[in-house]
Amino acid sequence: AQKITQTQPGMFVQEKEAVTLDCTYDTSDPSYGLFWYKQPSSGEMIFLIYQGSYDQQNATEGRYSLNFQKARKSANLVISASQLGDSAMYFCAMTPNYGGATNKLIFGTGTLLAVQP
Amino acid sequence: DSGVTQTPKHLITATGQRVTLRCSPRSGDLSVYWYQQSLDQGLQFLIQYYNGEERAKGNILERFSAQQFPDLHSELNLSSLELGDSALYFCASSPGVGAGTDTQYFGPGTRLTVL
Repeated sequence: AQKITQTQPGMFVQEKEAVTLDCTYDTSDPSYGLFWYKQPSSGEMIFLIYQGSYDQQNATEGRYSLNFQKARKSANLVISASQLGDSAMYFCAMTPNYGGATNKLIFGTGTLLAVQP
Repeated sequence: DSGVTQTPKHLITATGQRVTLRCSPRSGDLSVYWYQQSLDQGLQFLIQYYNGEERAKGNILERFSAQQFPDLHSELNLSSLELGDSALYFCASSPGVGAGTDTQYFGPGTRLTVL
C-alpha cells in the first residue's frame, strides 16, 4: 500500500537550534517524488522542498534539507537554525509513480512544530 | 503568495444545500488538483484535471463534481451537503508536464462550514 507515516504528532525546539521531522514512506513504484509542505496557523499550504527517488544527492533549500535514505524508505526534513516563524504543522507527502498518469499527493498526518524563544 | 487563487475564502451553508468553489491556477500551469482537509480524514486527494480533462479521481463522493474550463480555472461543486462535509478545501496547480519536477502549489483554501 502507498502510505506516508509521520510518527511525531508534536515537537518542541529552541530558537536557533536544528530540528529533524521524521517521515517514512511505503511504495513499490521505482519512480516517486517526496515533498514537504508547511501549514502555518493561518491555514495555507507552503511548498518547502522536493526529492526525487532517483536523485543521488539530498535536496536542500535554504535552511531546509531533506535527509533521504532510500533503503530505509525515509525522507526526514531537517530545519537548521529554527526561527519563531517556523512554528507550524509540517506535512510529508509522496507522489507514487512520479511522472505517470497523475502526480496526486498522498499526505502524512503531519507534525506540529513549536519553536520556543 | 503561491499564485493560485481560490474563492470564496469562507463559506457557511446549511445541510442539503449546494455550493461551488472556484480555483484559478498559476499562470502556465495545466494541472489542477482538489484536496480536502478535515480533522478526521486528514488531507485527501479528491480529483485532478489536466488541460480540461479529468486525469485522476481519489476519494471523491458522488455528491461532489468538478470541471476545468478552457481558461483552465476549475470549479468544485458540492451538493446535498452534510455536516461531515465541513472541511478546508484546497486547490493546487502544477505544470503537469509529466516528467521532471512537477511541484504542486496550493491556493489559500476555502473553509466550508455546514450547519
